[in-house]
Amino acid sequence: KQEVTQIPAALSVPEGENLVLNCSFTDSAIYNLQWFRQDPGKGLTSLLLIQSSQREQTSGRLNASLDKSSGRSTLYIAASQPGDSATYLCAASDRGSTLGRLYFGRGTQLTVWP
Amino acid sequence: DAGVIQSPRHEVTEMGQEVTLRCKPISGHDYLFWYRQTMMRGLELLIYFNNNVPIDDSGMPEDRFSAKMPNASFSTLKIQPSEPRDSAVYFCASSYYLVTTGPGQETQYFGPGTRLLVL
Repeated sequence: KQEVTQIPAALSVPEGENLVLNCSFTDSAIYNLQWFRQDPGKGLTSLLLIQSSQREQTSGRLNASLDKSSGRSTLYIAASQPGDSATYLCAASDRGSTLGRLYFGRGTQLTVWP
Repeated sequence: DAGVIQSPRHEVTEMGQEVTLRCKPISGHDYLFWYRQTMMRGLELLIYFNNNVPIDDSGMPEDRFSAKMPNASFSTLKIQPSEPRDSAVYFCASSYYLVTTGPGQETQYFGPGTRLLVL
């Protein structure tokens, strides 16, 4: 069974800092690796999806990388803002199913203070 | 697009009562997922459907839990009888599979969740 771990569990930084959130997974046979954002009391919103054949994806100030061989992914947030405060979850898909069942990490709770 | 709709948003009930959670997926999506999120266990997949058919229910914790999808626009998750340890946030998500792009190309769209408290 796929196990997904996220480090750190919580992170508090001043506005403007560049951040790196880490995600590791035990089974490298994945279809994709996804990063989600969860705001308090809300559902999850997809940020970036990296296919297994890709090494990175970028969206605005966000950049996610994938290294299947080492079982790792990182989410890089440039020039952090208070609006980035949320919990960030990574999810690795299960290659054994057609769609790709997702296995989630426990998340990194990010606080960006002004 | 209204996104995935869940109801109720909050539910407080007493142990032993029946609880029914509802979900309306995004129109045109042929996959529907039910998740449970707790502090102790994080986000867990309970069951998912493809074209209204249950595909994998291995995450359903006990026989007290059941899920149905009578049509493409509606699903329910029922707990009977409910217990305090069922207290959690229950999310519904939907997705789609494009034959042209192949598996693994799609993300899941989550609803706002139902916060359940069983006293």
